Amino acid sequence: EAQVTQNPRYLITVTGKKLTVTCSQNMNHEYMSWYRQDPGLGLRQIYYSMNVEVTDKGDVPEGYKVSRKEKRNFPLILESPSPNQTSLYFCASSLGATGSATNEKLFFGSGTQLSVL
Amino acid sequence: QKEVEQNSGPLSVPEGAIASLNCTYSDRGSQSFFWYRQYSGKSPELIMSIYSNGDKEDGRFTAQLNKASQYVSLLIRDSQPSDSATYLCAVYAGRALTFGSGTRLQVQP
Repeated sequence: EAQVTQNPRYLITVTGKKLTVTCSQNMNHEYMSWYRQDPGLGLRQIYYSMNVEVTDKGDVPEGYKVSRKEKRNFPLILESPSPNQTSLYFCASSLGATGSATNEKLFFGSGTQLSVL
Repeated sequence: QKEVEQNSGPLSVPEGAIASLNCTYSDRGSQSFFWYRQYSGKSPELIMSIYSNGDKEDGRFTAQLNKASQYVSLLIRDSQPSDSATYLCAVYAGRALTFGSGTRLQVQP
């Protein structure tokens, strides 16, 4: 089954304790992205990757790191989490750059609800 | 100014009615426009895309685009309780997909 798998689904941590949220897709997609979703603010892009070893900042990259060493995996790293990073996080992927007429659909993972105390 | 604006709602319509969801965007260079549906506690899923001015129909859904007015809308005909969800407008302007904050739709049985 074609899917984007995120883990964990729920995570509670304390300020300053490094954490990683994993994301993996089995569709051989080139494009992968991380979003955070907060009430009233919608989905905001954190980082994205056009291909292996190619990553770029989105709208809210501060406090986050990513890597794309393999095509299928795109982990999100919080080196020193803070309470303002409490949010719902989504990983997404698409065949190519979003917006192309033939590669338009973003496939989303099931989300990770992160609470930083 | 937000790049993609939506009324947060909730928009409440009776079952069988037409629900009209609206979205405005600020970047005149925007090329592609999408509507995603998100049920509570779930991830967004694509329901419509539109690229040129006019209407695009898919079943009970119609997307409408007016680039001169920088306006895109989604009509849902014969609304069903199962359509109750948050609808996210997303706009692509050459770098990344920008989402609106969503409109919550409630369809009353």
